[in-house]
Amino acid sequence: KQEVTQIPAALSVPEGENLVLNCSFTDSAIYNLQWFRQDPGKGLTSLLLIQSSQREQTSGRLNASLDKSSGRSTLYIAASQPGDSATYLCAVTAGNQFYFGTGTSLTVIP
Amino acid sequence: DGGITQSPKYLFRKEGQNVTLSCEQNLNHDAMYWYRQDPGQGLRLIYYSQIVNDFQKGDIAEGYSVSREKKESFPLTVTSAQKNPTAFYLCASSPFTGGVYEQYFGPGTRLTVT
Repeated sequence: KQEVTQIPAALSVPEGENLVLNCSFTDSAIYNLQWFRQDPGKGLTSLLLIQSSQREQTSGRLNASLDKSSGRSTLYIAASQPGDSATYLCAVTAGNQFYFGTGTSLTVIP
Repeated sequence: DGGITQSPKYLFRKEGQNVTLSCEQNLNHDAMYWYRQDPGQGLRLIYYSQIVNDFQKGDIAEGYSVSREKKESFPLTVTSAQKNPTAFYLCASSPFTGGVYEQYFGPGTRLTVT
């Protein structure tokens, strides 16, 4: 069964710093990988989707990369802002299901 | 606006009562999902449905039931058989076509059972 891991579980950085969140998965046979943001008590908001044939996707200050062979993805956030504070989750699609990591809780300190 | 709606946002029930959580989508997506989220844990799949009148159990289906009578609706019933029902419940949908399986989520329902 696919297992998805996100390290670290929590991260605190000063405003303006660039940062990288990590996601690893055990089975490289995936259709795609999706990064989400979740604010406290809210649903998940999709940030980026990387198809299995792609290496990276960019949206504004966010850049996500995918290395299927090593089972890793990273989410790069440039020039972090306090409004970026949230929990970030990654999910891989394999078969007809989605497998989620437990998330990284990010705090950006003003 | 297209999206997924879940109601109510907060739900309180007494132990022993069944309760139904609503999920509606107007994205014309084929697949719909129910997840449970507990503090410190990832999302766990309860049930999913890829077409109308068909659904499959996820990892933690015991104590839950669903129906899919319409493409846009996928209600979840939490029965009295669910031992620890207090949690945050998330509904999602996906087009599940063309090899691009992107999930879209509703705002969630927080269920508290006392």
